[in-house]
Amino acid sequence: KNEVEQSPQNLTAQEGEFITINCSYSVGISALHWLQQHPGGGIVSLFMLSSGKKKHGRLIATINIQEKHSSLHITASHPRDSAVYICAVRSTGNQFYFGTGTSLTVIP
Amino acid sequence: AAGVIQSPRHLIKEKRETATLKCYPIPRHDTVYWYQQGPGQDPQFLISFYEKMQSDKGSIPDRFSAQQFSDYHSELNMSSLELGDSALYFCASSSWDRGSGYTFGSGTRLTVV
Repeated sequence: KNEVEQSPQNLTAQEGEFITINCSYSVGISALHWLQQHPGGGIVSLFMLSSGKKKHGRLIATINIQEKHSSLHITASHPRDSAVYICAVRSTGNQFYFGTGTSLTVIP
Repeated sequence: AAGVIQSPRHLIKEKRETATLKCYPIPRHDTVYWYQQGPGQDPQFLISFYEKMQSDKGSIPDRFSAQQFSDYHSELNMSSLELGDSALYFCASSSWDRGSGYTFGSGTRLTVV
């Protein structure tokens, strides 16, 4: 069983839709990261969370430490949001565990 | 703002050759992580350094070694290269004491022919 589970694995949305990607983890963490990977491989760190909620533009990330769950929301999705979104956690032992990623395609 | 710098961006080597990848972290970041991402695969953690000491070790082959220098830059040395070593190698840095997020470099794409 993976320490980090993401869902869904693949997601197709129409432009303008509200999108949610979920992440559950089983280890004690010091931080959770949401990453965005575009074709060609470049990875961008979107958020680092240890509690609560963060917002940046159309992106919102939340985390519930008690439930060991985080969500990434994209409001008013756009084709340029098409990418692979990866949830990664930094355990309290300073090890990193990656989710398998969610491949998002936003259709105009 | 300064980002994590990796060099070279692209590298082509022949089998059994040696390659050295370099990573320059964000200023004041004391921790460096190396990841390997094969085609169509998830990133795999290789090794990390904190304050010039190895802090964690992942799935790094024995043919690979790495170190962090006094200026906090890190080098990943890869010897006896195999075709399967072709991948994108990412470096990330963070500040352990400040609990900051970590920032990835844009990666070095290594192709072994």
